[in-house]
Amino acid sequence: EVVLTQSPGTLSLSPGESATLSCRASQSVDSPYLAWYQQKAGQAPRLLIYATSYRATGVPDRFRGSGSGTDFTLTISGLEPEDFAVYYCHQYRTSPLTFGGGTKVEIK
Amino acid sequence: EMQLVESGGGLVQPGGSLRLSCATSGFIFSSFALSWVRQAPGKGLEWVSGISGLDDSTYYTDSVRGRFTISRDNAKKAFFLQMNSLRAEDSAVYFCAKHAGHSTLSRFDPCGQGTLVTVSS
Repeated sequence: EVVLTQSPGTLSLSPGESATLSCRASQSVDSPYLAWYQQKAGQAPRLLIYATSYRATGVPDRFRGSGSGTDFTLTISGLEPEDFAVYYCHQYRTSPLTFGGGTKVEIK
Repeated sequence: EMQLVESGGGLVQPGGSLRLSCATSGFIFSSFALSWVRQAPGKGLEWVSGISGLDDSTYYTDSVRGRFTISRDNAKKAFFLQMNSLRAEDSAVYFCAKHAGHSTLSRFDPCGQGTLVTVSS
């Protein structure tokens, strides 16, 4: 099983600041098989990034995914009020499909 | 617009059974893999089970294998999760999700809004 470890657990930032979220895999994940999801309280997860760096339809360009191998990053440049949420990385290269534990981006 | 709507959640005693359903619309149902993902209260996301859009192969996480069964009805554009021998640790919001391709080794997009399953005496 591929274990995904996200850090930090919580990021306290102000609107306008940038956020850098990390996802580390226990074994190498091919770049086409790494995604990021955003989840707000009481809502379903929403796909933000797939194949490491491709933005899903309708996702603003302030969201950028990068990385390779075992280290992946989601960067949010200039946080908007609607970006405060929990973010999960997800690998779909190997079954069982796995998610990281999440990073909460909260308003400072 | 693609839509997925779950139903069938509720309160069940330990050892009991529930059948979750996911009604879909807005895409060629038979072509895509489908999965169930759950989220225990205050916890993260956990993939539970998936079914191929190519040959109906099924896949399970270890903790539910032998207790849960995923199935699909292409004519009704719906899929299901039969959950037997339920345990307290199965309590969660269950989301149904469409994969981007016929394989479960593809991203989820989109998910339904979820249905709550509570296993308690």
